[in-house]
Amino acid sequence: AQSVTQLDSHVSVSEGTPVLLRCNYSSSYSPSLFWYVQHPNKGLQLLLKYTSAATLVKGINGFEAEFKKSETSFHLTKPSAHMSDAAEYFCVVTLGSNDYKLSFGAGTTVTVRA
Amino acid sequence: DAMVIQNPRYQVTQFGKPVTLSCSQTLNHNVMYWYQQKSSQAPKLLFHYYDKDFNNEADTPDNFQSRRPNTSFCFLDIRSPGLGDAAMYLCATSKGGGETQYFGPGTRLLVL
Repeated sequence: AQSVTQLDSHVSVSEGTPVLLRCNYSSSYSPSLFWYVQHPNKGLQLLLKYTSAATLVKGINGFEAEFKKSETSFHLTKPSAHMSDAAEYFCVVTLGSNDYKLSFGAGTTVTVRA
Repeated sequence: DAMVIQNPRYQVTQFGKPVTLSCSQTLNHNVMYWYQQKSSQAPKLLFHYYDKDFNNEADTPDNFQSRRPNTSFCFLDIRSPGLGDAAMYLCATSKGGGETQYFGPGTRLLVL
């Protein structure tokens, strides 16, 4: 079985400063890992995806994440936060071609101060 | 643009009155999913269809049913909504298992 732990339930940053959202996973197999963002009263939008290619994954809106197998981590970063980055972020893992059920982390709420 | 569409965006129903939520996709994906998301929680998978094959999660209440009449459309039926069913309902699609899931904007259900 796999599980996902988002280490921070809430992150607050100033506009223009870096953002770091931490995610650790456990999986018996080589997982696929995702970060999704959800703005208030909206659906989930895919930020980026790792599927055993490059360990540094670049996503939309300036986000990127690094897969570290030795640390079982998949942390999300952005060098400079924008007000529009205020949202809920979910780290998600799935096992493979027969896995239809996403394992979600609990989510991290990001607030951005002007 | 290819997308996942949900209607309506907001739905108000009365306690015990059946309600149907709609999802359509232009991605031509094989798999369609329904999730329930309560406030400040991660989405919870209710069921999914691979083509016409229905797969129910073990802990999904019988009160929740689904129909997929064709590749493009999928419906969520709540037979007798209770106050605890008030939530955001998200539809998603993917090409297959383990593939990226693409989410619709959601329908927020309010039960009075």
